[in-house]
Amino acid sequence: ETGVTQTPRHLVMGMTNKKSLKCEQHLGHNAMYWYKQSAKKPLELMFVYSLEERVENNSVPSRFSPECPNSSHLFLHLHTLQPEDSALYLCASSQRQRAGTGELFFGEGSRLTVL
Amino acid sequence: GQNIDQPTEMTATEGAIVQINCTYQTSGFNGLFWYQQHAGEAPTFLSYNVLDGLEEKGRFSSFLSRSKGYSYLLLKELQMKDSASYLCAVGGNTPLVFGKGTRLSVIA
Repeated sequence: ETGVTQTPRHLVMGMTNKKSLKCEQHLGHNAMYWYKQSAKKPLELMFVYSLEERVENNSVPSRFSPECPNSSHLFLHLHTLQPEDSALYLCASSQRQRAGTGELFFGEGSRLTVL
Repeated sequence: GQNIDQPTEMTATEGAIVQINCTYQTSGFNGLFWYQQHAGEAPTFLSYNVLDGLEEKGRFSSFLSRSKGYSYLLLKELQMKDSASYLCAVGGNTPLVFGKGTRLSVIA
């Protein structure tokens, strides 16, 4: 079993659809993250769950909704997305220290296309 | 806030040495990371520097100067498989913040 697993790997959806991305980590880490990667832009942090506390980037639109039922699973619920939301969505996990972040372990990503 | 700057693209020859620079401005600092990302794949961890100086790991080395807000990744004996994007990321008071990445093309 690989460290961080994301499903689906590819997703095409219309602007009125509702879908979810799933992430699972098998590393025993206590923090999980969603990053967005668009062409020619840096990785953009969307959400962090650490010890069941949620931290979010205030610039992320409300059409993205995260859920973290336990320390091993993370979801990103998507609804009424826009074409500009098409990107690679990367999940990551780490063993979070009191200050800052340890090494991030990334999943393979979910390539999202919004039509 | 945090700002990270690295070159967009670089090209180097197989067998050669290449240095990828990264400059950063950050509020709080607890380490600088380098990641490698091949096209269509996840980023993978290469190196971590928290103290000034050079960290060597096989063909890859990473250098940090905290006073200058500067790091570089040095790749020796370049191989075709080293063609990838190299991401500089800074850890501070917030989760890791990434630069845009440097796309390295290794040519024969």
